[in-house]
Amino acid sequence: DSGVTQTPKHLITATGQRVTLRCSPRSGDLSVYWYQQSLDQGLQFLIQYYNGEERAKGNILERFSAQQFPDLHSELNLSSLELGDSALYFCASSAGRVAGAHEQYFGPGTRLTVT
Amino acid sequence: AQKITQTQPGMFVQEKEAVTLDCTYDTSDPSYGLFWYKQPSSGEMIFLIYQGSYDQQNATEGRYSLNFQKARKSANLVISASQLGDSAMYFCAMRGANTGGFKTIFGAGTRLFVKA
Repeated sequence: DSGVTQTPKHLITATGQRVTLRCSPRSGDLSVYWYQQSLDQGLQFLIQYYNGEERAKGNILERFSAQQFPDLHSELNLSSLELGDSALYFCASSAGRVAGAHEQYFGPGTRLTVT
Repeated sequence: AQKITQTQPGMFVQEKEAVTLDCTYDTSDPSYGLFWYKQPSSGEMIFLIYQGSYDQQNATEGRYSLNFQKARKSANLVISASQLGDSAMYFCAMRGANTGGFKTIFGAGTRLFVKA
């Protein structure tokens, strides 16, 4: 158990809908990262937050947004869902701001299926 | 641009033998970190080992060691004394500073099969 929690574990929804994925980092970790893992594109970095502020942005679509709250939990919002958004979404956390200096610990993931 | 390449889509190893999983990278960042993660069939991503670009010695964590050759831009993972439980997908990843912030990129992964 990494100490990172994600809810829900599974999510099935229809095209065009909007969903929110939730992540609670390990106790004491200030950075939260979101990743998307799909069969055709592999594991892709979406976005990082550090202590409530956006720190780095990867291949995140405009239909997707995220935020980190004062209690450090984070939410990833996915809207106007398409079939291609079906994937495993991971949240990870690390202790520091400098991403290269601290290992990330991953949550169990949320499997999103868009039908 | 940053890039991670794992050229071995699948690898077989006999139980108790050592195996090397290849990873090469490309970056223009002067400072970066290299990571290996294990993803078993259950799906979770498990951190294995970290190597900083300025670290003089190769990282080791139990049966895992990272063969870091900076000039060749390679960061191969060596698993010694393979166990059946090592059968999984292994990802090499890199994180470094670049314009606009820190980004993490992953390789396509290598699926390791450990034979009894």
